[in-house]
Amino acid sequence: GQNIDQPTEMTATEGAIVQINCTYQTSGFNGLFWYQQHAGEAPTFLSYNVLDGLEEKGRFSSFLSRSKGYSYLLLKELQMKDSASYLCAAVDSNYQLIWGAGTKLIIKP
Amino acid sequence: GAVVSQHPSWVICKSGTSVKIECRSLDFQATTMFWYRQFPKQSLMLMATSNEGSKATYEQGVEKDKFLINHASLTLSTLTVTSAHPEDSSFYICSANPGTSGYNEQFFGPGTRLTVL
Repeated sequence: GQNIDQPTEMTATEGAIVQINCTYQTSGFNGLFWYQQHAGEAPTFLSYNVLDGLEEKGRFSSFLSRSKGYSYLLLKELQMKDSASYLCAAVDSNYQLIWGAGTKLIIKP
Repeated sequence: GAVVSQHPSWVICKSGTSVKIECRSLDFQATTMFWYRQFPKQSLMLMATSNEGSKATYEQGVEKDKFLINHASLTLSTLTVTSAHPEDSSFYICSANPGTSGYNEQFFGPGTRLTVL
């Protein structure tokens, strides 16, 4: 079956760095998305990776290893507004999104 | 660009009534829209794929007679929850892909919070 695993919850300190991991098992693979979702709101796009390596976008970076079925989202210089759930979603061979349950990130002052 | 709206943003209804939720792509046309449901502290669950001009494709376990989907135009899809029950209370989110980003990026509507009493 298809499966996405990511930690349920993480806590980090304002100004620090945090890495949120995601492992996936899908039938076929056409890329991986990271979305940010604040409580009570819809998800917003953060990144998309389809090739191995690191993609940097401001304070956020996303990494993909296709051979390991692994991705991570790296958040630097954490701000209180980064407190949210971070959803990992892999695209399977039918171009369907397979969603993880999300990682709730709590930022402490 | 690529804005998706939903209406209403929240609704409270009595058990047994029907509720219609609208999803509109404001600045692009979408032949395909997606309807998701999200329970508290859980991930997004794809309910169905809405196809303009044809029948929706429902995910396994989703009752098509209970969750009626109509994709009447290239900018509008509606989800009607018929004979709603308290267990249908959830956050319903639609999304669409404008097809301009080169990959399957989904743009989400703001969501509709449904509470069935």
